[in-house]
Amino acid sequence: ETGVTQTPRHLVMGMTNKKSLKCEQHLGHNAMYWYKQSAKKPLELMFVYNFKEQTENNSVPSRFSPECPNSSHLFLHLHTLQPEDSALYLCASSQEGSSGANVLTFGAGSRLTVL
Amino acid sequence: EDKVVQSPLSLVVHEGDTVTLNCSYEVTNFRSLLWYKQEKKAPTFLFMLTSSGIEKKSGRLSSILDKKELFSILNITATQTGDSAVYLCAVCMDSNYQLIWGAGTKLIIKP
Repeated sequence: ETGVTQTPRHLVMGMTNKKSLKCEQHLGHNAMYWYKQSAKKPLELMFVYNFKEQTENNSVPSRFSPECPNSSHLFLHLHTLQPEDSALYLCASSQEGSSGANVLTFGAGSRLTVL
Repeated sequence: EDKVVQSPLSLVVHEGDTVTLNCSYEVTNFRSLLWYKQEKKAPTFLFMLTSSGIEKKSGRLSSILDKKELFSILNITATQTGDSAVYLCAVCMDSNYQLIWGAGTKLIIKP
């Protein structure tokens, strides 16, 4: 275990469903991230939260809606997704500014399939 | 445009071989370069490199950075089947601490 826990590990949903991905970190970090990982492509940063405030939104479609109720929990709410949204969604956390670099600790990911 | 390019995209070798993975980058303000290993789960941190020519080493893995030629290599000696994974490279930007990722190198070690 890395200290970052993601649930569910696998999710299959139809295009009209509403579902949520959950991430929890037990490391006392001050920043949390959502990444999308598709085959043979670089990790795509979706959202960044620092001290619960959203600091990055990389032009992500509105069908993805993040929520960060506190510095330990992060959600990604999914609504009317498209098949091309099928991917591995990785949550990560870090202590920004502590070591001169942004060393992320990742969760195991949520494998999403949109039918 | 900032970018990180890893090569090769995939590599198959036999157990016991030595492999070298490459990561080149073009970024406007470099802070550090990081290597991660990803098996069928969370990417796990391997190395962070900030200075040219200083080798970081952990067991059979080692890495070095060349800030003049803008690349890093990750070496794995005496490979084992457990080294099979995707190896990810990322550059940390000086301006905002955000990471630019490469597409990864998929390494397969055959017994």
